[in-house]
Amino acid sequence: DTAVSQTPKYLVTQMGNDKSIKCEQNLGHDTMYWYKQDSKKFLKIMFSYNNKELIINETVPNRFSPKSPDKAHLNLHINSLELGDSAVYFCASSLIGSPNTIYFGEGSWLTVV
Amino acid sequence: QKEVEQNSGPLSVPEGAIASLNCTYSDRGSQSFFWYRQYSGKSPELIMFIYSNGDKEDGRFTAQLNKASQYVSLLIRDSQPSDSATYLCAVGVTGGGADGLTFGKGTHLIIQP
Repeated sequence: DTAVSQTPKYLVTQMGNDKSIKCEQNLGHDTMYWYKQDSKKFLKIMFSYNNKELIINETVPNRFSPKSPDKAHLNLHINSLELGDSAVYFCASSLIGSPNTIYFGEGSWLTVV
Repeated sequence: QKEVEQNSGPLSVPEGAIASLNCTYSDRGSQSFFWYRQYSGKSPELIMFIYSNGDKEDGRFTAQLNKASQYVSLLIRDSQPSDSATYLCAVGVTGGGADGLTFGKGTHLIIQP
């Protein structure tokens, strides 16, 4: 059973399209995150949620909208995709206050053409 | 602005030798420190974390922390070709909350057989 699962794993889409990435964790964690890893492998936090509440919203274009229907799920919707959005998006989860429990999903490779 | 600095490498080490990876961080409020290993095309995997000044050993890995110098290091003894990967240093600001981690850009380690 995958602990943090993301779908889709690969996504190729055209500029201007809208796409979503879904994430689910079965670790019983109460906090979930979206991280973006660019072509230079720099991993940067985008959002964090605790028990469905948005905690961190880093400087991310408002074309990116996270949604957490419950504490086991965190989805990422991206409107009007741009070439610069091409990256690997990692979902992660943890127990609040325990950063040593952060566990990453396998990543979603997004390519915008 | 929280920053974590690492030498991007590549760092080339002969098999069986000690690999030494270094990291500095800018935020003196940082309280938790992590080393992740990331193989190409895979997600980051936690290998060590350290909260207190000094050394922490786990098998072939030793993490070292010096808060006064804002410096974290990872030593890998008896390096194996399977240790070849990118090593990400990450820093957490607080012991509580859902702040996530701030990552460095990673050091690419190559273990030469």
